[in-house]
Amino acid sequence: SQQGEEDPQALSIQEGENATMNCSYKTSINNLQWYRQNSGRGLVHLILIRSNEREKHSGRLRVTLDTSKKSSSLLITASRAADTASYFCATAPISGNTPLVFGKGTRLSVIA
Amino acid sequence: KAGVTQTPRYLIKTRGQQVTLSCSPISGHRSVSWYQQTPGQGLQFLFEYFSETQRNKGNFPGRFSGRQFSNSRSEMNVSTLELGDSALYLCASSFEPQRGYTFGSGTRLTVV
Repeated sequence: SQQGEEDPQALSIQEGENATMNCSYKTSINNLQWYRQNSGRGLVHLILIRSNEREKHSGRLRVTLDTSKKSSSLLITASRAADTASYFCATAPISGNTPLVFGKGTRLSVIA
Repeated sequence: KAGVTQTPRYLIKTRGQQVTLSCSPISGHRSVSWYQQTPGQGLQFLFEYFSETQRNKGNFPGRFSGRQFSNSRSEMNVSTLELGDSALYLCASSFEPQRGYTFGSGTRLTVV
């Protein structure tokens, strides 16, 4: 069953704008990860944020984590057409040696 | 270094048949996880193998099975195929799942 739920389900923006996606989850976690999937392909790991971290940056990506609200957000700044993809959050449950649990994803379309 | 290799990329099978999918993980990764991805259900965890042992199992019927070999390569098998088994099957390799996965490109299975 899904633990993470992304919001919105779909997002369409112009090139150069910022894109923000949100993820909510239900149980305690060790970390939260974001992945990107281009159409029909495998997922690519973007960034991992630990439960004791509040914000993390990687290039044009900024991730925040609020464990009190059980939510995370992914911000992509200055979006490009190449950022068009589906974005998934995945939670690592606090009990070790358990698989990641993925949300259903946000479909981002960046229009040139 | 080589990525995660899944074969075949595409398969078309008839209801009632069985199918075997293969996954070669990144060298040094002992954990291999399998996910089923469908538009309606998102990514659903099938099972994880670690050092040739099934360490975790998702909520799928016994028609879905897998194994891992001593070289960490993994196979999954689906017997008595149903139309609802049509999906993208993704293999994810990791040193430890909670640190993040490297995904293969997936096998697109169509059951007719």
